[in-house]
Amino acid sequence: GAGVSQSPSNKVTEKGKDVELRCDPISGHTALYWYRQSLGQGLEFLIYFQGNSAPDKSGLPSDRFSAERTGGSVSTLTIQRTQQEDSAVYLCASSSALSGRGTDTQYFGPGTRLTVL
Amino acid sequence: GNSVTQMEGPVTLSEEAFLTINCTYTATGYPSLFWYVQYPGEGLQLLLKATKADDKGSNKGFEATYRKETTSFHLEKGSVQVSDSAVYFCALSNNYQLIWGAGTKLIIKP
Repeated sequence: GAGVSQSPSNKVTEKGKDVELRCDPISGHTALYWYRQSLGQGLEFLIYFQGNSAPDKSGLPSDRFSAERTGGSVSTLTIQRTQQEDSAVYLCASSSALSGRGTDTQYFGPGTRLTVL
Repeated sequence: GNSVTQMEGPVTLSEEAFLTINCTYTATGYPSLFWYVQYPGEGLQLLLKATKADDKGSNKGFEATYRKETTSFHLEKGSVQVSDSAVYFCALSNNYQLIWGAGTKLIIKP
């Protein structure tokens, strides 16, 4: 079946502009995750959704970052007033999240490479 | 807090050599442990996992054993191939969040 998809695959924007990144999880997966992969910081957790709710937003780097999920499916990560330090690959993952105890496998999308000029 | 430490790369080996990539962790409770792999130009994919002490995960000739006494989850393969060239990430999870090591780039020369 189809895996996790993300769009766009690449995004170049100017400093100060807003961007929206989209994630389409595997059908039927109730949990959705956003991570960021950057040269300086490695892989970092951003936010987790269970259904449409985000019980943990602790990884969002600042209030310029927000995310939502609708219909228990597609999620959008929005970065307002982008800064150069936001340049990174943004990864989305989904899982069936039956246990909530960390045993579930997370399936990753190909990522969106964001470049802020 | 929770953290993962893995050996720095790049690791360069000849084809058919034995591979070990070290991974140690610090965690509260009883985390699950994972190895993910990122091939050039591709996304992260699960290589193997172990969810409790003494479990052995295995896939594609790779193995790793969850050692609670040494807080380790070292990745091994008996005979590597050029196609194994990739970046390997060790990770742990206590709940829903994956905590990642820095990644180890593996280069296999023919």
